Amino acid sequence: DTGVSQNPRHKITKRGQNVTFRCDPISEHNRLYWYRQTLGQGPEFLTYFQNEAQLEKSRLLSDRFSAERPKGSFSTLEIQRTEQGDSAMYLCASSFGYLVTQYFGPGTRLLVL
Amino acid sequence: AQRVTQPEKLLSVFKGAPVELKCNYSYSGSPELFWYVQYSRQRLQLLLRHISRESIKGFTADLNKGETSFHLKKPFAQEEDSAMYYCALSGNYGGSQGNLIFGKGTKLSVKP
Repeated sequence: DTGVSQNPRHKITKRGQNVTFRCDPISEHNRLYWYRQTLGQGPEFLTYFQNEAQLEKSRLLSDRFSAERPKGSFSTLEIQRTEQGDSAMYLCASSFGYLVTQYFGPGTRLLVL
Repeated sequence: AQRVTQPEKLLSVFKGAPVELKCNYSYSGSPELFWYVQYSRQRLQLLLRHISRESIKGFTADLNKGETSFHLKKPFAQEEDSAMYYCALSGNYGGSQGNLIFGKGTKLSVKP
């Protein structure tokens, strides 16, 4: 197991386009988290799943954002009608249980032109 | 409001000097505190958590509930300690179930 993986690692898109990111957590981890990190800031929580259920969404997650985790394995994060303000590093993390160590992926860097 | 404050954006020390990275938090309840580190071109990784009371790579951190602080310390800095350090908390208050709240981070630069 090489840890949490994310694809693509980089994405450049034009404003108004839709993008989708994928996260593959560490196998047997039942929790999966999405964070967003902009320049000069720490990661900010977006949403998390326990198995396939999406249990919490941050107010940062506008209606243009949707996340899924079918079958409780990998997860996708889709951004519709991208805006320049969506440019950021999108991080995925997984854990087994909560209040425990979260293991982070390398992130997907999004640039919206 | 739940918040983590790291007052220093950049901390520069010489090799062998002591290091203290400050972290203060605001949280209603009993949080779990973490220090995460990101070395150049690497992913974010856990350095230590307060409940473990471990010393990792010579770093220690003590939770001071009275001062709501969780400062990270190392008596003798090494060049390989140069990295971005993030303090984070996690808890079970207000419906939150374990998501991490991060500070803005402190960049540690250890000069030879």
